[in-house]
Amino acid sequence: GENVEQHPSTLSVQEGDSAVIKCTYSDSASNYFPWYKQELGKGPQLIIDIRSNVGEKKDQRIAVTLNKTAKHFSLHITETQPEDSAVYFCAARTPFRDDKIIFGKGTRLHILP
Amino acid sequence: EAQVTQNPRYLITVTGKKLTVTCSQNMNHEYMSWYRQDPGLGLRQIYYSMNVEVTDKGDVPEGYKVSRKEKRNFPLILESPSPNQTSLYFCASRISSGGTIYETQYFGPGTRLLVL
Repeated sequence: GENVEQHPSTLSVQEGDSAVIKCTYSDSASNYFPWYKQELGKGPQLIIDIRSNVGEKKDQRIAVTLNKTAKHFSLHITETQPEDSAVYFCAARTPFRDDKIIFGKGTRLHILP
Repeated sequence: EAQVTQNPRYLITVTGKKLTVTCSQNMNHEYMSWYRQDPGLGLRQIYYSMNVEVTDKGDVPEGYKVSRKEKRNFPLILESPSPNQTSLYFCASRISSGGTIYETQYFGPGTRLLVL
């Protein structure tokens, strides 16, 4: 089955700097890669996603890149702000079998003042 | 407002005392899941349901039961809770399309369970 590895587990960046979180997946059939943000005391919420036929997607300060050949995808947050502090999860979805979404173990992002 | 609701949000119980955590969604989603979140282990799927009366085990089903009698509800049952089931639990729902529709998964606010 699919396996998703996420790095780093903890990341601290100065406010205003960029943050990058990286994930790898194992199943070449996976075709959808969402990223979730979990704020303290809340459930994860989708912040951006990318399909396997697209190499990059951007939404304001957030961007995601996908390298299908290497089975890598990354989340990039530019001009970080205090409200970006949260736990971020990457995930991969494998269609047609059991249609499961497999999550990485999460990255705790701290934005330092 | 589209949402997934869970109750209770916090629960303290003792070993062996049966409990149920309710989950309800108002988006007419076919697919519903339960996850547990533990430090360093991320989100692990306990059980899922692809539609009414269809349930299946996820990655960590031991000690849990579920039922799906109605489309909107997906309760999680712990028949005899043990301390290793102390965790943060999330219910989630989404469209089940076999992978043909890229629909986001919506999570509930979580239930923090402590088993003494």
